[in-house]
Amino acid sequence: NAGVTQTPKFQVLKTGQSMTLQCAQDMNHNSMYWYRQDPGMGLRLIYYSASEGTTDKGEVPNGYNVSRLNKREFSLRLESAAPSQTSVYFCASSTTGGSSPLHFGNGTRLTVT
Amino acid sequence: QQQVKQSPQSLIVQKGGISIINCAYENTAFDYFPWYQQFPGKGPALLIAIRPDVSEKKEGRFTISFNKSAKQFSLHIMDSQPGDSATYFCAASWNSGTYKYIFGTGTRLKVLA
Repeated sequence: NAGVTQTPKFQVLKTGQSMTLQCAQDMNHNSMYWYRQDPGMGLRLIYYSASEGTTDKGEVPNGYNVSRLNKREFSLRLESAAPSQTSVYFCASSTTGGSSPLHFGNGTRLTVT
Repeated sequence: QQQVKQSPQSLIVQKGGISIINCAYENTAFDYFPWYQQFPGKGPALLIAIRPDVSEKKEGRFTISFNKSAKQFSLHIMDSQPGDSATYFCAASWNSGTYKYIFGTGTRLKVLA
């Protein structure tokens, strides 16, 4: 049981380049999330998708776009990377309704130079 | 109002000692309070969680104490072990169509052998 799978694990970009972070879950979860983790700042929500076909902004959406491709997959796109987007990005999923916990992937470490 | 304040930022405990991490919140709409444990290079994983109608929850060596009137909750790790060395995040969530989570800034715990 793979859970939440993120690719790539590491990425280095130059300022202005674009890239897409991929996330897939095999737990049949309805909700999916993208977080970024920065030292001393915890995990901050970028975007989330409550169900297939819907997406909404979180706390720090600027500079990012998302696509909920199907129930399994939720991608995060950086159109024009900036050094401020250097971070570790985590995808998570959960069932809908009730106090269901988040299940996280192992992250993508992104460096923008 | 949406913040969760976590302290301390770092903690060093001797093997066999008690580790205590504290969190405080403002928003009374929060109705689920999980703690996540994160090892280096991995995503956070659910450790233990509590709802506000309960004042304490214990799972093995891990206990959450919840004080609804003070809007505070804490994680106690009894008989701390070197394998507990990790970063711990408290979180709070509420249902706004789907459950969204706000995370504390994290506590880096080191248990000395």
